[in-house]
Amino acid sequence: ETGVTQTPRHLVMGMTNKKSLKCEQHLGHNAMYWYKQSAKKPLELMFVYSLEERVENNSVPSRFSPECPNSSHLFLHLHTLQPEDSALYLCASSQDRGLYNSPLHFGNGTRLTVT
Amino acid sequence: AQTVTQSQPEMSVQEAETVTLSCTYDTSESDYYLFWYKQPPSRQMILVIRQEAYKQQNATENRFSVNFQKAAKSFSLKISDSQLGDAAMYFCAVNTGTASKLTFGTGTRLQVTL
Repeated sequence: ETGVTQTPRHLVMGMTNKKSLKCEQHLGHNAMYWYKQSAKKPLELMFVYSLEERVENNSVPSRFSPECPNSSHLFLHLHTLQPEDSALYLCASSQDRGLYNSPLHFGNGTRLTVT
Repeated sequence: AQTVTQSQPEMSVQEAETVTLSCTYDTSESDYYLFWYKQPPSRQMILVIRQEAYKQQNATENRFSVNFQKAAKSFSLKISDSQLGDAAMYFCAVNTGTASKLTFGTGTRLQVTL
């Protein structure tokens, strides 16, 4: 299923770099999400956008900056990251925010390595 | 706060056999939903099956079924006639509302052998 597309697939960046992760959904959904997946830890919700408005921000450091220009696109801008930010970053979308009847659809993730 | 525990970091099953993955959870809510997601090597998380807590009947989706024990707060996943394509990480999750109230477990890696 290619309903949610994430680029790049892999990213290596230095601590002083600025980079962006991109997510695009082709499902006509109204809500989009960023999750962080670290080894042996549960998925951590970072941000939620509903109809292009940020509705949740789970105490994420300011070095992560989301942007949702429209309901199909979501970005995660990265700057001055730390090595502990190395993880798999997953984008997801859903028809609305009630997750039972509109479950999450995930992308393939961006594997981020901070050196 | 709600928690999800998957006590089996790794499991192995032979092709065509049946395997059960364990999940226990804790929530103070009376109305919630439970999910199993699969994450193959492609890394895309895929919904396998879902269960509404107020429904006593266990959900089934083809070869996948759950054993939902509400009183014990247990939600195990049974995979019948295992196939090589079932090899993946499996995540249990509980949801009591919107995405901020969706809690995942740490996952169980399932290997399928010939």
